[in-house]
Amino acid sequence: KAGVTQTPRYLIKTRGQQVTLSCSPISGHRSVSWYQQTPGQGLQFLFEYFSETQRNKGNFPGRFSGRQFSNSRSEMNVSTLELGDSALYLCASSPGGGNEQFFGPGTRLTVL
Amino acid sequence: AQTVTQSQPEMSVQEAETVTLSCTYDTSENNYYLFWYKQPPSRQMILVIRQEAYKQQNATENRFSVNFQKAAKSFSLKISDSQLGDTAMYFCAFVTSGTYKYIFGTGTRLKVLA
Repeated sequence: KAGVTQTPRYLIKTRGQQVTLSCSPISGHRSVSWYQQTPGQGLQFLFEYFSETQRNKGNFPGRFSGRQFSNSRSEMNVSTLELGDSALYLCASSPGGGNEQFFGPGTRLTVL
Repeated sequence: AQTVTQSQPEMSVQEAETVTLSCTYDTSENNYYLFWYKQPPSRQMILVIRQEAYKQQNATENRFSVNFQKAAKSFSLKISDSQLGDTAMYFCAFVTSGTYKYIFGTGTRLKVLA
């Protein structure tokens, strides 16, 4: 099976812009989670989607949003970018049942 | 609140030596699963080892083993015969049975020295 894929791998944006990141989970995985990883804050949970529904949400402002499509692919959107949004954004999928999450390579976002 | 604590931000170990990474967690649930993940520099996060909380036997995967103490809510990772390729950030995590919200610790940066 193909692994979790994320596009694009690198992004450079300026403050105030918006950005959309995409994630394709492993085939058959219905749960997709998003994380923000920064050197100072570690791995911060953004949200989790299952069958197109957001079931869990982390403590991030409303500028961060996401969605999941019927084929389980997911997108996350960040509006009105701030310098502090510069980070590695990781997507992970899981088949559930206590199995592990499988991570994508991440999208490195730089906000100038 | 469910939390995971990794109290060692950074560690180093000599090649071929053994090192133990600590992890404690807090949950009121009885059924859950525990994980150690490895994130090498500039590379993808991968699973190292998985433990089911209802199993008393400690999980092992080649040179990697865990010391799972359910009552103490402790889940440490032991790496034997450390290799240069073990240099990475290690994350401890758990998920409660029936849910999909994985709780991660802040990570331990391990450096294996030649």
